[in-house]
Amino acid sequence: EIVLTQSPGTLSLSPGERATLSCRASQSVSSSYLAWYQQKPGQAPRLLIYGASSRATGIPDRFSGSGSGTDFTLTISRLEPEDFAVYYCQQYGSSPTFGGGTKVEIK
Amino acid sequence: QLQLQESGPGLVKPSETLSLTCTVSGGSISSSSYYWGWIRQPPGKGLEWIGSIYYSGSTYYNPSLKSRVTISVDTSKNQFSLKLSSVTAADTAVYYCARQTGYGVLSYMDVWGKGTTVTVSS
Repeated sequence: EIVLTQSPGTLSLSPGERATLSCRASQSVSSSYLAWYQQKPGQAPRLLIYGASSRATGIPDRFSGSGSGTDFTLTISRLEPEDFAVYYCQQYGSSPTFGGGTKVEIK
Repeated sequence: QLQLQESGPGLVKPSETLSLTCTVSGGSISSSSYYWGWIRQPPGKGLEWIGSIYYSGSTYYNPSLKSRVTISVDTSKNQFSLKLSSVTAADTAVYYCARQTGYGVLSYMDVWGKGTTVTVSS
């Protein structure tokens, strides 16, 4: 099983700031099969990024993904009020697993 | 617009079998491009993939749950279902159904249901 470790656990930032979220895999994720999801309280997760860097339909371009192998990053270029949420990475290069999540909170 | 809706009992007794159904609307479950999966989230915790199914009936399960999980599909009703046997309190969670894009386990979840809470308690 590929274990995904997300850091930091919590990110305290102000609207307009840049957010950088990390996802590290215990072994290489084949073909960059890495996705990112956003989850707000009481809601289902929403797909943001797949294939490490491809934005899902309707996702604003302030969200971007990068990385390969074992190290991946989600960047939110300028935080909007609606971006404060929990973010999960997921690998699907083998039996799917999720990271533990990063909470982006208002500073 | 594709929508998924989970349904089933919100309370299950320990040692019994949890049964949930996901109804797909706004699209066909028989599409060759997609798989259909179940994911759960214990209270205050992260996400865990349970398993998925193709419209033909091919199934893929999380190895840690495989001995207790059965996923089936009913194309005539545009539904797929989850059964989890011998439940304990550790199976208490919000259960989501989702459409998976890709191939088999090599797929990500691009459309999600709203989720249904299942509590295991006597």
